[in-house]
Amino acid sequence: EDQVTQSPEALRLQEGESSSLNCSYTVSGLRGLFWYRQDPGKGPEFLFTLYSAGEEKEKERLKATLTKKESFLHITAPKPEDSATYLCAPGRLWNNRKLIWGLGTSLAVNP
Amino acid sequence: EPEVTQTPSHQVTQMGQEVILRCVPISNHLYFYWYRQILGQKVEFLVSFYNNEISEKSEIFDDQFSVERPDGSNFTLKIRSTKLEDSAMYFCASSEGRLPSSYNEQFFGPGTRLTVL
Repeated sequence: EDQVTQSPEALRLQEGESSSLNCSYTVSGLRGLFWYRQDPGKGPEFLFTLYSAGEEKEKERLKATLTKKESFLHITAPKPEDSATYLCAPGRLWNNRKLIWGLGTSLAVNP
Repeated sequence: EPEVTQTPSHQVTQMGQEVILRCVPISNHLYFYWYRQILGQKVEFLVSFYNNEISEKSEIFDDQFSVERPDGSNFTLKIRSTKLEDSAMYFCASSEGRLPSSYNEQFFGPGTRLTVL
């Protein structure tokens, strides 16, 4: 059965305090892994796609990395505006574009 | 910047009533999706739609649900007889998918909050 587990469930950081979020997955026929950011009451906002183990993507203070069984989202020197829930979603190829979602990590960055 | 739009933002209905949730995907996108998120829970896939037909649906997407692309811009989700447990945030998404082997990111709308009383 496909499973996605994100940890920690919640994380509180001081502004400037770097950390990492983890996404562990068991998904058959994995084609890509997506990271999204979700603000309360809003739709998920696309951040990154990672396709193969060893791949890294960066955007401002965020860097996503991928191994065969997990992905990390590293947050360097976060700011309060980085506060959100970060969602990991592996997907399967073939004719199936269904994304399988984790519960997310709720990040709060205090000024 | 192109975006996915959804209407209404909030829909309140009585149990047993039919509701139609509307979405306008990004104009050059070919794949369309509906997801739902019950408060505090994971985002759940409902259905994907391509070339005017359903390409995949989840076990949640039973006979009470249907999707339609009535014209060149709108994509709708209909729930025929709503239940209390249908209360959730419903998100529409779209992706390019121009090549058979590509796997493009999905862009989400702001959601419709459905409340069934």
